[in-house]
This record gives sequence, C-alpha cells and structure tokens, in this order.
Amino acid sequence: EIVLTQSPGTLSLSPGERATLSCRASQSVSSGFLAWYQQKPGQAPRLLIYGASIRATGIPVRFSGSGSGTDFTLTISRLEPEDFAVYYCQQYLTSPNSFGQGTKLEI
Amino acid sequence: QLQLQESGPGLVKPPETLSLTCTVSGDSISGSSYYWGWIRQPPGKGLEWIGSVYYSGSTNYNPSLKSRVTVFVDTSKNQFSLKVNSVTAADTAVYYCARLRNWGSGRGFFEYWGQGALVTVSS
Repeated sequence: EIVLTQSPGTLSLSPGERATLSCRASQSVSSGFLAWYQQKPGQAPRLLIYGASIRATGIPVRFSGSGSGTDFTLTISRLEPEDFAVYYCQQYLTSPNSFGQGTKLEI
Repeated sequence: QLQLQESGPGLVKPPETLSLTCTVSGDSISGSSYYWGWIRQPPGKGLEWIGSVYYSGSTNYNPSLKSRVTVFVDTSKNQFSLKVNSVTAADTAVYYCARLRNWGSGRGFFEYWGQGALVTVSS
C-alpha cells in the first residue's frame, strides 16, 4: 500500500496570502495518479485536482496542483475566506486507493 | 446533475451488521467509465476507502476491511450498497458513497460524493 504523508499538519495564513500544501508518497506515484480534495466542517469532500495538476470542473484557477514521483504540491495562489478547510491528497496508482492524513488550513 | 444519497440505520449494536444503501439520481449506475464506492471518516479523523463496485458486480476492497465488507449493486434500482459484518466501536464513522472515475479495477478518484451518513456502533 502506498502511504501518503501530508505536511504541515496545520497551516495558519491570512486571506490574500499564498498557501503551499505538500503530499509525499512512500513510493513513486507514476503518471501523476494523484488527486486533491477540500473538506469543510460538516460537508463531504470536494474534488479539486486529479491527475496531479488537472482542475476538476468548476474549481477556481487559484487552485493548482504540481509534482511528480513522490512529491506533490497543492498551491492556492491568493487565499479567499472560503478556502479555509482541510485538504486531503489521494493516490490511485495502486490498490488500495489511499488518502493522506490531511492538512488543516486555518486563519 | 448527479446526486448520491446514503440511507440506513444510524445506530448499530456490536457485533451486528452495518448496512447502508446509496441511491444515485441524475445518471445511470451502468456507465462504463465509473465504479461506485464507499469511504468512511471516523469522527475528527481522516478518510478511509472501503471498497468499490462496477455495475457488472465486479468489486475491489481495501485489504484492511476485506474480510468483513461486501459492496454490491442493484442496477434496476440505480443503487449500490455496503455491508460491514461484526462491527465494533471502531466502525463508528461518517460513511460516504461516491462515484469513482475508474483507472482500472476500481482504482480512481472520487468525483461526486453523497452528503454522508453517521453510523454509531454502540450497545
């Protein structure tokens, strides 16, 4: 099983700032089979990015994904108040599909 | 607009069986590019994939739960379901159903999610 480790555990920033979230895999996630999700309190996760860098339908351009191999990054260029949430990465290169433990983005 | 809705008992006694159903509306469950899956989230914790099913009945399970889990589909009702046997308090979680964009044998990312159903395991 591929283990995903996200860092930092909590990221404290202000609206308008740039956020950089990291996801490191225990083995190479080739072909960029990596997704990112946003989860707000009391809500289901929402798909942001798949294929490491492809924005899902309706996702604002301030969200971008990058990386390859074992190191992946989610960047939010200018934080909006609604962006403060928990973010998860997920790999789907090998079964079982596995998630990182999450990064909480707080004001 | 695709919608998924979980339904089932909110309280299950150990060591009984947890049963949930996901009703899909706005699309046919028989689409060839998709699996349909279950993910759970214990209170205050992260996400865990449980298993996924194709409309043909093919399944893929998380090895950590495989011995206790069954996922199956009913195309006539546009529904898929989850059963977890021999539950304990550790199975208390919000259970989500989701549509998985398939990249082979139930591997994929989760495009659409239900709102989630809290299931508490307690005597």
